[in-house]
Amino acid sequence: EIVLTQSPATLSLSPGERATLSCRASQSVSSYLAWYQQKPGQAPRLLIYDASNRATGIPARFSGSGSGTDFTLTISSLEPEDFALYYCQQRSNWRTFGQGTKVETK
Amino acid sequence: EVQLVESGGGLVQPGGSQRLSCAASGFTFSTYWMSWVRQAPGKGLEWVANINPAGSTKNYVDSVKGRFTISRDNAKNSLYLQMNSLRVEDTAVYYCTREYWGFGDYWGLGTLVTVSS
Repeated sequence: EIVLTQSPATLSLSPGERATLSCRASQSVSSYLAWYQQKPGQAPRLLIYDASNRATGIPARFSGSGSGTDFTLTISSLEPEDFALYYCQQRSNWRTFGQGTKVETK
Repeated sequence: EVQLVESGGGLVQPGGSQRLSCAASGFTFSTYWMSWVRQAPGKGLEWVANINPAGSTKNYVDSVKGRFTISRDNAKNSLYLQMNSLRVEDTAVYYCTREYWGFGDYWGLGTLVTVSS
C-alpha cells in the first residue's frame, strides 16, 4: 500500500497569505496525484489532478506541482472560502489518501 | 449538470447487511468508472471499491474484500454497494463518486451508515 503523508497537519494563516501544503508518498506515484478540498458537512471537491492540472472551475490561485514522491499544493492568496481541509490522493497503486491538512484562520 | 444521489444508509447491527444505491444523472453513466469512498466520523477518506463501465472489473480495498460487493445497472444509471458482515469499524459516510482517470471528479452528498448494537 502506498502511504501518503501530508504536512503540516494544521496551517494557521490569514486571508491574503500564501499557503503551501506538502504531500509525500512512500514510493513513487509518478504524476498520479490529486488534491481535494473538503469543508465541514460537505463532500470532497477535486482541485488538482495529475499533480498539476486544475479541475474544471477551480480558480487559478490553486496550483499543484511535483512528481515521484514529493508534491505541493499552493494557494497563492487565501480567500475566506479557502479555509478548509485538504487531502492528497494517489492512483498509481489502487487509491489512497493522505491524512489531511487543515488550513485555519490565524 | 452532473448529479450523484446516494441512499440506503441507516443503523444496522454488527454482522448485518445494508445495500447502498447511487442515482446518477447529467452524464453518460455507462462510459465511466464509478466508485465508493467512505469517511468515518471525524476521520479521513478511504477508497472502498470501484467498477468499470461494463461492470466486469471490480476492485476493493483489502478491509472489505469478501464482505462488500459493488455493482451497477447502466440501464437505470445506478451504482450499488452491497455490504455484508458489517463491523463497527464500517461506520462512515459513504460517498458515490465518478472517476476521472482514477480521481473523483464528482461526488454525491453521501449517506451515513452506522453499525452499532
